Order: sequence, then C-alpha cells, then structure tokens
Amino acid sequence: RKEVEQDPGPFNVPEGATVAFNCTYSNSASQSFFWYRQDCRKEPKLLMSVYSSGNEDGRFTAQLNRASQYISLLIRDSKLSDSATYLCVVKRSRNAGGTSYGKLTFGQGTILTVHP
Amino acid sequence: GAVVSQHPSRVICKSGTSVKIECRSLDFQATTMFWYRQFPKQSLMLMATSNEGSKATYEQGVEKDKFLINHASLTLSTLTVTSAHPEDSSFYICSASAQIAGGRPDTQYFGPGTRLTVL
Repeated sequence: RKEVEQDPGPFNVPEGATVAFNCTYSNSASQSFFWYRQDCRKEPKLLMSVYSSGNEDGRFTAQLNRASQYISLLIRDSKLSDSATYLCVVKRSRNAGGTSYGKLTFGQGTILTVHP
Repeated sequence: GAVVSQHPSRVICKSGTSVKIECRSLDFQATTMFWYRQFPKQSLMLMATSNEGSKATYEQGVEKDKFLINHASLTLSTLTVTSAHPEDSSFYICSASAQIAGGRPDTQYFGPGTRLTVL
C-alpha cells in the first residue's frame, strides 16, 4: 500500500467550477501535511500547508482529519491557470548522519484541467 | 530568498556514460539536501538525503554505488549517475533545507530539476 494515496484523475472542469481533491495517508506518525502544485516538466511548488482546524488561502481551502488520516483540497471559482497536477504531501521526522530532518512523501498527484 | 538552482537543466547521454548533476542553494546555507527522482506520471520519490560533510543516507532500493552523492559544502551537493542506462532516464530534482528568516522551520526549497535522457 502506498504511503500517500490520491485519485490521479484527470479532473476536467469548466472555468468557475468548484473542484475537490482527496488524499489518504497510511503512516500515523506523519506530522505535517501539505498540498503542492506541479506544472508540466517543472519542480513542485508549495501551495499551502494543511491544519486540523482547516485553513483557507483565497480560493483554496485545505482540511485535515487526523483520525481518518484524510486530507482534502477545495478549489473554488477555478481559473485556467489552476490547470496543473496537485500533489498531496506528508512529512515525518527522520534521522540521517546524526541530524534530524523532515522527510517528505509525495502522492502520485491529481491532474486538473480547467477549460474555457 | 531561498533559491535553489540545478545544472544542467537537461542532459542527453549515451548508455554507459556518467552524468553529474549539481544542486546549489544560492542565497542560503543548506543544512540538508535531498535528491528525488520522478518517472513519467509517477510521484516524486526520495532517493537520498545528505548533510554537509557526511555520507548520504539512501532510501531503500537506491544503489549508493550507482548514484554517488557528494555534499562538499553548505551550498553545493552533486549527484553522479554512474554508467547510466536507459532505465535511469528520469526527472531528477534536488531540494535544500534550512532555517530561513521568516520561513517555516525545516522547509524544503526545490530546484528546477534536471531531465536526464539516456540513449
């Protein structure tokens, strides 16, 4: 079983639509949670962190349910520029070379295409 | 601030040659650097983690003798793919981690990636 699972999509939605992505993670020791955005042939870029209390950044709302090990992302009023792959990412502490660091584990990503 | 560069951005090589990829933190000192690999339509997979001056820690299934990592300074890490073969063709992405003023602790800043094609 993958440590982070996402529906790969693709999601094809018209401009202005609301779209929701879901993600589940298997390791209960995971400490921090994020949504990243990746454009074709580019590096991933941090979209937002995810907190249990839920958090909003403009048209984007993220939610975390630790009990269910479930993370969601809601995009309202979709724009053409929102077309990308959305990656669910979890972080937990690891030790290497005597140093503690946060290991990121990425989901496969959900492809979103917003059309006119 | 917090810019990470990679060089080269793209490389095409013949099977059996070795390829070196550089990852630099341009405006901060990175305590830890990470190397990821992403095959088409798949997620980023962590290959190894390195701290300046110490040996890299490799993830399970990643051959340390094939993917040589050198982290000589707080701003530079290199990944060398030795005797590359077509199955090594992938998108290699590095990230650097440090405590940046005004940033979240332990944030990873990603480089733009290097696309390797082995013929």
